[in-house]
Amino acid sequence: DAGITQSPRHKVTETGTPVTLRCHQTENHRYMYWYRQDPGHGLRLIHYSYGVKDTDKGEVSDGYSVSRSKTEDFLLTLESATSSQTSVYFCAISGGQRNNEQFFGPGTRLTVL
Amino acid sequence: QQPVQSPQAVILREGEDAVINCSSSKALYSVHWYRQKHGEAPVFLMILLKGGEQKGHEKISASFNEKKQQSSLYLTASQLSYSGTYFCGTDTGTASKLTFGTGTRLQVTL
Repeated sequence: DAGITQSPRHKVTETGTPVTLRCHQTENHRYMYWYRQDPGHGLRLIHYSYGVKDTDKGEVSDGYSVSRSKTEDFLLTLESATSSQTSVYFCAISGGQRNNEQFFGPGTRLTVL
Repeated sequence: QQPVQSPQAVILREGEDAVINCSSSKALYSVHWYRQKHGEAPVFLMILLKGGEQKGHEKISASFNEKKQQSSLYLTASQLSYSGTYFCGTDTGTASKLTFGTGTRLQVTL
């Protein structure tokens, strides 16, 4: 299995509070991704990174920010959590070549009350 | 825009075959297929590249029609372990990122 972990695995928070999710990899892969998964929507890309300090928006980036200061860590921050951000969040990594698969972390279940 | 998958759900008896389709409105460079079991992370199955190259699972096959921007995943002689939700992810070649479909839920019964 690819060395990818997410923390925390579960979190319950209140509307308006800041939340940071962490993705950590030991594979030295260049690309890292944050997705959210909601019933009926599949996996939707929030942000991705193609190198240290190099990030770009995905299709559902509003309300989220990311940072990557080291190859192995990719942080997702909800500056002021809303109930619509209740979801399961998956981090994924990839070598970045066109024929490279993405490896997914175990996921973080976030509930915003 | 997310690719469209069909069917949305299918129930099979063990040993039966199934086909899952993925269709995009955009020109594609590659199509990825993943399977997710309940409560778990998605797991890679296959990549189909423009030009015909394939990479992935030994017991699952797939096709990629570049002209129609369509891909199909073929599950033959299904096993109970094939149960799960199948996602296609499409790459338009403009960046190393995928757009996933909404998934096809497959249930294999005895």
